[in-house]
Amino acid sequence: AQSVTQPDIHITVSEGASLELRCNYSYGATPYLFWYVQSPGQGLQLLLKYFSGDTLVQGIKGFEAEFKRSQSSFNLRKPSVHWSDAAEYFCAVGDAGNNRKLIWGLGTSLAVNP
Amino acid sequence: EAQVTQNPRYLITVTGKKLTVTCSQNMNHEYMSWYRQDPGLGLRQIYYSMNVEVTDKGDVPEGYKVSRKEKRNFPLILESPSPNQTSLYFCASSLTGGNTIYFGEGSWLTVV
Repeated sequence: AQSVTQPDIHITVSEGASLELRCNYSYGATPYLFWYVQSPGQGLQLLLKYFSGDTLVQGIKGFEAEFKRSQSSFNLRKPSVHWSDAAEYFCAVGDAGNNRKLIWGLGTSLAVNP
Repeated sequence: EAQVTQNPRYLITVTGKKLTVTCSQNMNHEYMSWYRQDPGLGLRQIYYSMNVEVTDKGDVPEGYKVSRKEKRNFPLILESPSPNQTSLYFCASSLTGGNTIYFGEGSWLTVV
């Protein structure tokens, strides 16, 4: 069955430290991959997406993610975290040929210490 | 500006009193959907619509109804709300179901 796993439910980092949020997927077709961020009390905003081409994709707010087909992973990274990055992060997998829906991970909650 | 607009943003209602959460998008998207978000359960899809007059159940459709009479609108109807429907609800739209999703700002619903 198709699934998305975000192994870390909660992560705490210090401001200025680097960050990596993990996302693993199980998907039969070539996937479309997404990372969304949800700030407290807000809706979900697209951070970045991978459809094809360069496996390292750049997003908004200084985030990047790398698609590794051999590892079925799409980890999100940021070299230096800011306090405003504290939020919930969701990984999702889709397929342009599948009109039904995206498959969502359960999210990783990020806290940032000053 | 590309937008998904849902209303109301906040609502407290009583058990059994019918309510409708409206959703409208201005991007001419064919695909629209409703999600609910609950702690520890992530985002769960309630219903989706691939086009006008085409709707289908998502993962947690019980207790909800939807309609898609116009491309831009996709209201969520709770005919007889119950306390277990207390949740944060998101409307979303996209070109196709597997493509980039644009979310509304969410509707906090409390059923007492």
